Amino acid sequence: GAVVSQHPSWVICKSGTSVKIECRSLDFQATTMFWYRQFPKQSLMLMATSNEGSKATYEQGVEKDKFLINHASLTLSTLTVTSAHPEDSSFYICSASSGGVYEQYFGPGTRLTVT
Amino acid sequence: AQTVTQSQPEMSVQEAETVTLSCTYDTSESDYYLFWYKQPPSRQMILVIRQEAYKQQNATENRFSVNFQKAAKSFSLKISDSQLGDAAMYFCAYRSSEGSGSEKLVFGKGTKLTVNP
Repeated sequence: GAVVSQHPSWVICKSGTSVKIECRSLDFQATTMFWYRQFPKQSLMLMATSNEGSKATYEQGVEKDKFLINHASLTLSTLTVTSAHPEDSSFYICSASSGGVYEQYFGPGTRLTVT
Repeated sequence: AQTVTQSQPEMSVQEAETVTLSCTYDTSESDYYLFWYKQPPSRQMILVIRQEAYKQQNATENRFSVNFQKAAKSFSLKISDSQLGDAAMYFCAYRSSEGSGSEKLVFGKGTKLTVNP
């Protein structure tokens, strides 16, 4: 149980375009979802926390107008990178929590390459 | 704010041997949770083990065990009988137990574990 999927697993887009990444909890209701960014050989950096039906809470230094997060249902959250630039190329990971005491369940990640 | 420090960027171990990965953290809270996550080359984050701060007994999961020293704010991971499949990045993580944003995980920088055959 507790499976989280992400789509797409890899996306290449041109500079200036927008790209949407989906995160789905497949077998549980995710009251909270998290979006992380991971550069090569580095740790996970939390970008934002989203609760179903509410606006996302962004971490300091993360541009909320550039990284649009929507948590429209208890099983789906989306991250839209607007006007992408090469420096936005990274590995994006989502995780989901059902509000339990313990762990978050992580998706497999999405590799974004902006050319 | 809480911080997590992993002082060993890389470690190596011989297959079947034992290795210990270090983690220290800084917090003013008395109740919290600690985790070790594994990230293999596939980059899928996998929970290895968790520890509740209010529990004195160290958590164990098969070949994985922790040495939780609350006063010292230390949370090391011991891997016994290392296997080739244990090769991965290992991240130590902290989570508050209550308050706004308590579900957020704070990660260390990670330790890359190599298992030599």
